[in-house]
This record gives sequence, C-alpha cells and structure tokens, in this order.
Amino acid sequence: EAGVTQFPSHSVIEKGQTVTLRCDPISGHDNLYWYRRVMGKEIKFLLHFVKESKQDESGMPNNRFLAERTGGTYSTLKVQPAELEDSGVYFCASSQRTYGYTFGSGTRLTVV
Amino acid sequence: GQQLNQSPQSMFIQEGEDVSMNCTSSSIFNTWLWYKQDPGEGPVLLIALYKAGELTSNGRLTAQFGITRKDSFLNISASIPSDVGIYFCAGSTTSGTYKYIFGTGTRLKVLA
Repeated sequence: EAGVTQFPSHSVIEKGQTVTLRCDPISGHDNLYWYRRVMGKEIKFLLHFVKESKQDESGMPNNRFLAERTGGTYSTLKVQPAELEDSGVYFCASSQRTYGYTFGSGTRLTVV
Repeated sequence: GQQLNQSPQSMFIQEGEDVSMNCTSSSIFNTWLWYKQDPGEGPVLLIALYKAGELTSNGRLTAQFGITRKDSFLNISASIPSDVGIYFCAGSTTSGTYKYIFGTGTRLKVLA
C-alpha cells in the first residue's frame, strides 16, 4: 500500500507570505494527525482529524494556522501569514485506530 | 506541559558497539514508543511498550518500560552503519490515546 504522502518536501517562503502544506493519508485511514518539529526540539502534536472532523486541535500554535480535511481524504495545513518561528518540519501521520501511526516524510518549511 | 527528557542528545560510536539511550518524565506514562527517523524520512515505529516492566525486542533492538512508569530505555546491540539516524521516544499518559508526547531525539552516528 502507498504510504503517507506529503507535499511539498521543502518550502522556503518570506515572512508574511502564505504557505499550504498537503498530506495524503493511507487510503482507508480515518485518523489523520499533524505534528511539527522545530529545529533540535521535540516533535509536537498540532491536531487530529477523524474523517473530516477536527477531534483535537489543542496543539495548534495560534490562529495563523488553519487545517482542513476535505471529505475525510487529504488534509491541508495553511500558515497565513508565516512568521520566522514557524520554520520547522511538519509531519503528517495517519492510522486506522488511534495508535500505530504511519508518518509521512515531512515538509521542511523555512521562513526567511 | 508534560515533557520527556531524552538522553543523550547525540552519540558517536564505532561499528559493532552497543548503544543505550533513555527517556524520563515527571509524569506517569501508560504507553512508551520508540521511533527512528532516517534522513529525509518520517519517524518509523520500532517498538511499542504497554505495561510497566515490559521488555521487548525487535532484532538487535531492546526496549523496556520502566517499573515506575516514568522512564524507558532503548538498547541497540552490535551497531551497524544503517543504525544512523535520530531516535525518538514518545509516550502517552492515557491508554488508547491518539496524542503522543515526543522526546527531543538522540542523534546516532556510527563510524565504520
């Protein structure tokens, strides 16, 4: 089966611009998660979707971040406007049950 | 918030040596997970632990869930060059949870 796919793999944008990250989960996985790793720090939970519904978005840093999951399939994470501290690697993961994630390769976001 | 203290931050070892890394927390955890991240890839689950005192092996890897439920360690025996990567511990304080707390990672380099 295909794994979790994230696009783009790298993005370099200027402060104040908008960036949209996309995640395609494993087909049939109802649970989709976004995590972020800022350079050298821990991987931190951002939010969890069950199908198209946000189950928990307690990890979202602020209202500049907007996540959506269209029809319970792929998900997007938009950062608008981007700030320097948003730089990091954004991971998406999916699972059938609530444990045993499969992670994607991540999107490395650099805000300059 | 809850934190996992993972050590060491980095290790340089000779091929064939054994490696040990650990995670500690001030909170009691119900699940401990160990992940490995290869360069340019997402974290991949190595071992999952669900009971205090549990000792689980996966090939040359062995991990234990501490008796106090506040720590876990991962051992790699007879290291090989492909063991290079970042190892993350992760845990949850609730059984069957979807949200994991990750450590800051241990970067392992193996010298041939």
